[in-house]
Amino acid sequence: SYDLTQPPSVSVSPGETASITCSGQSFPDQYSYWYQQKPGQAPVLLIYKDTERPSGIPGRFSGSSSGTTVTLTISGVQAEDEADYYCQSADSDGTYVFGGGTKVTVL
Amino acid sequence: VQLRESGPGLVKASETLSLTCAVSGGSISDVYWSWIRQSPGKGLEWIGYVYDTYTATTKYNPSLKSRVTIATDTSLNHLSLRLTSVTAADTAVYFCARLTSEGDAFDVWGPGTLVTVSA
Repeated sequence: SYDLTQPPSVSVSPGETASITCSGQSFPDQYSYWYQQKPGQAPVLLIYKDTERPSGIPGRFSGSSSGTTVTLTISGVQAEDEADYYCQSADSDGTYVFGGGTKVTVL
Repeated sequence: VQLRESGPGLVKASETLSLTCAVSGGSISDVYWSWIRQSPGKGLEWIGYVYDTYTATTKYNPSLKSRVTIATDTSLNHLSLRLTSVTAADTAVYFCARLTSEGDAFDVWGPGTLVTVSA
């Protein structure tokens, strides 16, 4: 198995851009996925296959990939974006792993 | 599709944790279903998946494999989780989730259910 490493926290002012990185040996061989989780709620899928956005997810959320690091970018951060964010990937043996999560604080 | 977990909120240490996840608005067949848990204040941990085919294919997190069983019941349209020999470390919110056909993403989640393991 392998680990996905995320920064524990990111702080950003409203209207600015937040970038959350996720590093892991599974990249770029495997796709990355991103989730947003607010307190007391289930996670919500934000990004799949590195860069794709499910319907209903605002355009300010985007994903990118470079080597063994993938990045979730939130452009024009809003107060409602304050949440925990998790990256996720799949191993070649069919198992799944999540990053440790990043708490985004909107100042 | 909507998912809803249910089961005892309190389990004694060394006993077996059993949860079900009711699937509504769609069939449980021909879909990969997973259980994922989150210890209080911690991150997400994938437990395993089941694929409802004739052979009921399963795959488990290696760290839990010896204690976990995930199954589906097509007549009730639900999936189940059994975790044996629980300890305090198994105290968590347990989520069921659907693996999307668009790759290895979990696109539908239940609200989760908290299970506390008592001494």
